[in-house]
Amino acid sequence: DTGVSQDPRHKITKRGQNVTFRCDPISEHNRLYWYRQTLGQGPEFLTYFQNEAQLEKSRLLSDRFSAERPKGSFSTLEIQRTEQGDSAMYLCASSPAGYNEKLFFGSGTQLSVL
Amino acid sequence: SQQGEEDPQALSIQEGENATMNCSYKTSINNLQWYRQNSGRGLVHLILIRSNEREKHSGRLRVTLDTSKKSSSLLITASRAADTASYFCATDDDSTLGRLYFGRGTQLTVWP
Repeated sequence: DTGVSQDPRHKITKRGQNVTFRCDPISEHNRLYWYRQTLGQGPEFLTYFQNEAQLEKSRLLSDRFSAERPKGSFSTLEIQRTEQGDSAMYLCASSPAGYNEKLFFGSGTQLSVL
Repeated sequence: SQQGEEDPQALSIQEGENATMNCSYKTSINNLQWYRQNSGRGLVHLILIRSNEREKHSGRLRVTLDTSKKSSSLLITASRAADTASYFCATDDDSTLGRLYFGRGTQLTVWP
């Protein structure tokens, strides 16, 4: 499988717990994106990496959220002290070098905070 | 706030009919993309049209772009039940590299 892989597919957690999601992009893609999508809405941009550098962060990304991409390969998104409002689908996407190339999305991680 | 907005929010048609979805946006763009999403899954890229293009075809898909009206349309011809999905337009922002703005999408239901 050469697509974007996300793990886990589903995560149920209690309010206040920390959660971490992983994304493995397509291997030759140097750009990696995290988006969040709630029911009935389109994806909202969270953050963007070019190789290992985090180049842009949305204001949606509060200080409880942190993303990393060590060595420019896979990425992790951690949410600390989860809140019910964090319940959403977290989507990872990657793209090759070049300006405004199309995005290749993973299947997402559905987070439910109880 | 999201830049692209699709219209209608929901569309229900019979197999074999054509489906037309519209997208409006607010600021200057370099390109506009359409994506499809099946329920509970990730998005799949359908087609990209650049700001200097007016029309583009891909199989049963036809996309138009009118930069003067800041609008685009996606036409799916001879629809099939398998086309049932949500369709999103996404625009870039030439002031912000890497970020795409998605609308709320059009939920298309094609009845067999």
